[in-house]
Amino acid sequence: DAKTTQPNSMESNEEEPVHLPCNHSTISGTDYIHWYRQLPSQGPEYVIHGLTSNVNNRMASLAIAEDRKSSTLILHRATLRDAAVYYCILRDGSGNFNKFYFGSGTKLNVKP
Amino acid sequence: GAVVSQHPSWVICKSGTSVKIECRSLDFQATTMFWYRQFPKQSLMLMATSNEGSKATYEQGVEKDKFLINHASLTLSTLTVTSAHPEDSSFYICSASSLPDTQYFGPGTRLTVL
Repeated sequence: DAKTTQPNSMESNEEEPVHLPCNHSTISGTDYIHWYRQLPSQGPEYVIHGLTSNVNNRMASLAIAEDRKSSTLILHRATLRDAAVYYCILRDGSGNFNKFYFGSGTKLNVKP
Repeated sequence: GAVVSQHPSWVICKSGTSVKIECRSLDFQATTMFWYRQFPKQSLMLMATSNEGSKATYEQGVEKDKFLINHASLTLSTLTVTSAHPEDSSFYICSASSLPDTQYFGPGTRLTVL
């Protein structure tokens, strides 16, 4: 299973942008990059995913390095509700099952 | 859309008893469902993958006879923790998928074994 490496924690000020990094140096050509977040005592929530190109949606943007060995989740304006653990996950797109193997994630703290 | 529910949300049981947790996809048909376990301050650990109508596939190190998974329909999967012991106390989370690229997670079930 391809591994991801994320900082244990990050801090941001409310209404400022947040860049959450993820390293995945052993990524294969068929691996998709997924981001989920988890609030305390809740199930993970989908944020965004991509393969090679940068992606945008209403929640966030995903910037993928040209060599795909790293990616960055961008929250354009952090709010207190964005405080959560953010997981960067690689999914093998070549198989029939889309198994997720979660890494340790980054705990984001948003200061008012 | 894409709502997944779990029942119960929490359960307390005595050591040696069995506990069943239900996972339902409410507004879509899930061809594949997954079960995860999460200990306090740790990440999610994938336990097993189940497809409707077939046997579950367990991850290495997960006892299939202890954690019984049934995926009887496209909207329901159950996890039964048999002969539960205190070390089985954990947060159990299911997810459901109809397409390969996304999993929708349930709210989790907190199991406490006394």
